[in-house]
Amino acid sequence: ILNVEQSPQSLHVQEGDSTNFTCSFPSSNFYALHWYRWETAKSPEALFVMTLNGDEKKKGRISATLNTKEGYSYLYIKGSQPEDSATYLCASSGSARQLTFGSGTQLTVLP
Amino acid sequence: DAGVTQSPTHLIKTRGQQVTLRCSPISGHKSVSWYQQVLGQGPQFIFQYYEKEERGRGNFPDRFSARQFPNYSSELNVNALLLGDSALYLCASSLGGGTQETQYFGPGTRLLVL
Repeated sequence: ILNVEQSPQSLHVQEGDSTNFTCSFPSSNFYALHWYRWETAKSPEALFVMTLNGDEKKKGRISATLNTKEGYSYLYIKGSQPEDSATYLCASSGSARQLTFGSGTQLTVLP
Repeated sequence: DAGVTQSPTHLIKTRGQQVTLRCSPISGHKSVSWYQQVLGQGPQFIFQYYEKEERGRGNFPDRFSARQFPNYSSELNVNALLLGDSALYLCASSLGGGTQETQYFGPGTRLLVL
């Protein structure tokens, strides 16, 4: 994998459903994996930074896991609420310090 | 504490003109990065500055330049604007610009080139 890829591109779920998205990234020259939540007309909000293989992070109903050997991360949202509707971006950082972003997963939670 | 601030919020320019975008980092943050985001894509890295020195540059033409001031604020300049420069320009700040540090983003400046 040369680029950071996210799937699915968009997702509609019902309120109360749990959901997850995938981020795939190059496993070579890997330093950290970043997740952001971006609501329309707002600043991207940092959710997690993960660095070690097997890392798991949690923030309220949102959690993330990291597999650096195979180059993927999962983001989970438990019991989705309408306020979770946003675009979720992942980004990989390597020795160059820059963030390389995926195109995002646009989540819509229907009431 | 104030987050990352950017000005202006919106800007309309015509082809060939020049534009300057401004960014103020979170207090105490010494590193500023710039990203360009076009619709349907994730943000693309343009520059990173730390302590007024350029630390990294993305794959953008020389029409793009930036600088960081002693108070750690930053400006992004784009000369000879093209229609394709229309995008949301995001600024992010971090403590030292390290690869494992969280970068905190501002709300962006939306540039439209006509």
